[in-house]
Amino acid sequence: DAGVIQSPRHEVTEMGQEVTLRCKPISGHDYLFWYRQTMMRGLELLIYFNNNVPIDDSGMPEDRFSAKMPNASFSTLKIQPSEPRDSAVYFCASGRGQGQETQYFGPGTRLLVL
Amino acid sequence: AQTVTQSQPEMSVQEAETVTLSCTYDTSESNYYLFWYKQPPSRQMILVIRQEAYKQQNATENRFSVNFQKAAKSFSLKISDSQLGDTAMYFCASLRSGSEKLVFGKGTKLTVNP
Repeated sequence: DAGVIQSPRHEVTEMGQEVTLRCKPISGHDYLFWYRQTMMRGLELLIYFNNNVPIDDSGMPEDRFSAKMPNASFSTLKIQPSEPRDSAVYFCASGRGQGQETQYFGPGTRLLVL
Repeated sequence: AQTVTQSQPEMSVQEAETVTLSCTYDTSESNYYLFWYKQPPSRQMILVIRQEAYKQQNATENRFSVNFQKAAKSFSLKISDSQLGDTAMYFCASLRSGSEKLVFGKGTKLTVNP
């Protein structure tokens, strides 16, 4: 299995620009998670999906952030407009869920907003 | 709410020696799951070991083992025969049964010295 795939691996953009992060979960996993990691706040869960449906987006910082999962093999996290404080590593993870299953993480996208 | 505390921000160990990383957690749940993840400089989050709270036997994975003390709400990770490749951040995490939200500690930075 290829594992969770994320793209791009690195993104540098200017404040005000739109940023789109992409994720392909492990085949057969019906849960998908988006996390953000910063030095100040550690690892934070932003949103998660079950069977392509957003279940809990309480971690999404503000309306500038949105996430979609149009099908079982693809999800996006979009920031529009981006701000310097959005600079972080964004991880996508997938799992079989059911409140007991291990989450498997992708390699992350390192975002720098200038 | 669940909380996870890692009291050691940084640790170091000599190659081939044994090191123990501490983790305590707070939960009112009777059933839950505990994890240790490793994050090397590549930033990939890698599952090291997992423990089901209802199991008394401590989980082991090759050189990695845990000391799970349910009454004390303690979940330490022991790394035996440390290798240079073990140098990484180590995160302890908990998952309440029936929930999909992993709660992470702040992490311990482990350096293995030659």
